[in-house]
Amino acid sequence: GENVEQHPSTLSVQEGDSAVIKCTYSDSASNYFPWYKQELGKRPQLIIDIRSNVGEKKDQRIAVTLNKTAKHFSLHITETQPEDSAVYFCFGGSQGNLIFGKGTKLSVKP
Amino acid sequence: EAQVTQNPRYLITVTGKKLTVTCSQNMNHEYMSWYRQDPGLGLRQIYYSMNVEVTDKGDVPEGYKVSRKEKRNFPLILESPSPNQTSLYFCASSSLPPGGHTLHFGNGTRLTVT
Repeated sequence: GENVEQHPSTLSVQEGDSAVIKCTYSDSASNYFPWYKQELGKRPQLIIDIRSNVGEKKDQRIAVTLNKTAKHFSLHITETQPEDSAVYFCFGGSQGNLIFGKGTKLSVKP
Repeated sequence: EAQVTQNPRYLITVTGKKLTVTCSQNMNHEYMSWYRQDPGLGLRQIYYSMNVEVTDKGDVPEGYKVSRKEKRNFPLILESPSPNQTSLYFCASSSLPPGGHTLHFGNGTRLTVT
């Protein structure tokens, strides 16, 4: 089955710096790569996703890059702000059995 | 408003007392699923359903049951809860395939089993 690893587990940055979170997957058939954000006490919500026919996608300060050969995709947040502080998740699995990464707790210090 | 509704938000119960957590979605989604979230372990899938009357085990199904009699509802049943099922539970739904469409999560149910 699919195996998903996410690194780092915690990340602390100064406001204005960039943050990068990486997700590695095992299933070569995977073709969809999302990132979810979960603020404290709230539900996870999709912030950006990419499909396998695209190498990079940007939405304002966030971007996702995909390296299918190496089987990993990354979340990039530029010009971080305190409201970016949250837990970020990736997941893999193209069928019903979805495997989430263990999450990255991002802290942005003012 | 498109949403996934879970009830209750908080639940405290005792070992062995059967309980049901309800989940309902109004987006006509085929796919529904349940997760538990524990510190350091992230979100782990309990059960999922690809459509009415079709359910499958996720990674941590032991001690849980589900049913999908109607498209909009996907209740999670704990027939004999134990303290190790104390956790934060999320229901989610999406169009098919789930690994290709946005997962919409409910607000979560915090369960404590004493």
